[in-house]
Amino acid sequence: DSGVTQTPKHLITATGQRVTLRCSPRSGDLSVYWYQQSLDQGLQFLIQYYNGEERAKGNILERFSAQQFPDLHSELNLSSLELGDSALYFCASSVGAGRSGGELFFGEGSRLTVL
Amino acid sequence: GEDVEQSLFLSVREGDSSVINCTYTDSSSTYLYWYKQEPGAGLQLLTYIFSNMDMKQDQRLTVLLNKKDKHLSLRIADTQTGDSAIYFCAVDNGGATNKLIFGTGTLLAVQP
Repeated sequence: DSGVTQTPKHLITATGQRVTLRCSPRSGDLSVYWYQQSLDQGLQFLIQYYNGEERAKGNILERFSAQQFPDLHSELNLSSLELGDSALYFCASSVGAGRSGGELFFGEGSRLTVL
Repeated sequence: GEDVEQSLFLSVREGDSSVINCTYTDSSSTYLYWYKQEPGAGLQLLTYIFSNMDMKQDQRLTVLLNKKDKHLSLRIADTQTGDSAIYFCAVDNGGATNKLIFGTGTLLAVQP
């Protein structure tokens, strides 16, 4: 158990809908990262937050948004869903934000299926 | 941007050594990692190496880094069926953040 909790574990929805994925980082970790894992794109970095502030942005679509709340949990919002958004979405956390910010601990992922 | 490449598949017999290879493009990467993903599970950090090291050994795992060729490898000694999983190489992006760039993953199949 990594200590990172993601909900829901599985989600099935229809095209055009909006979903919210939730992540609780390990106790004491200030950084949260979101990754998307799909068969064709592999593991893609989406976005990083550190202590409530956006720290780095990757290949995140404009239809997607995220935030980190004062209690450090994070939510990834996916809207106007398309079939191609079907993927496993991972959240990870670490103590710090910079290059020596420590090991990333990954949650078990939220599997999104868009029909 | 950073590109990290791995071969897609490796098959070995139980008891043999496995060597999983990875190449990357950004020479400013400081930390290089190996993660393991078992079916239906998240990613588990196996080991990492700092860029000023050539080799790191941790029980059955040996990481070799050739910084000149930007080549990283993971050797698993005495491979067991429980080692069957996808192995990801990851490097930091050389910037000011802790974000990691992952390789495509190598599926290791261990035959009994």
